[in-house]
Amino acid sequence: EIVLTQSPGTLSLSPGERATLSCRASQSVRSSYLAWYQQKPGQAPRLLTYGASSRATGIPDRFSGSGSGTDFTLTISRLEPEDFAVYYCQQYGSSPLFSFGPGTKVDMK
Amino acid sequence: EVQLMQSGAEVKKPGESLKISCKGSGYSFTSYWIGWVRQMPGKGLEWMGIIHPGDSDTRYSPSFQGQVTISVDKSISTAYLQWSSLRASDTATYYCGRLPHWYVDLWGRGTLVTVSS
Repeated sequence: EIVLTQSPGTLSLSPGERATLSCRASQSVRSSYLAWYQQKPGQAPRLLTYGASSRATGIPDRFSGSGSGTDFTLTISRLEPEDFAVYYCQQYGSSPLFSFGPGTKVDMK
Repeated sequence: EVQLMQSGAEVKKPGESLKISCKGSGYSFTSYWIGWVRQMPGKGLEWMGIIHPGDSDTRYSPSFQGQVTISVDKSISTAYLQWSSLRASDTATYYCGRLPHWYVDLWGRGTLVTVSS
């Protein structure tokens, strides 16, 4: 069973700063089947990146995904006020078929 | 407009049954898997299962196998999530999502289910 761990749990930053979010898998995620989502309070999640580094339609280029194997990173190059939210990574694999990480909250310092 | 429209909020008592829905529009409903995700109050996202509207192939997450039933009526482009006997611990927001491959690119707005005596 693949378990995803995200760190840090909370990231306190100011607008304009760079955010680096980590997602670590207990086993290798095959073919980089790793996606990142953003969720704001009271809203559904929104797809940011998939395949570890492909940006979803309409996602600003300040969001970038990277990594392979067991270590993945979501980077927000310069935080905008609308980027303060919770971020989840998600993997697709053999068992369980899908799972999410516990999330990283990015809040304003 | 491409969208997933979910049914409205529900308030139920323990032991009652419930079926919530997710209607796709603006795209070929039978060409994409539909997934269901639970979010308990103040908590993270949990995969429940997926269904392919084309052939009703269904896969459940082990944690939800036997606890819920996922179904689809492709004639009306609608997927369903149902419970035969609700518990207080089923209180959550339930999201449906469209999967072009192995990730969700389109989400419904969520259905809040409250189970309380």
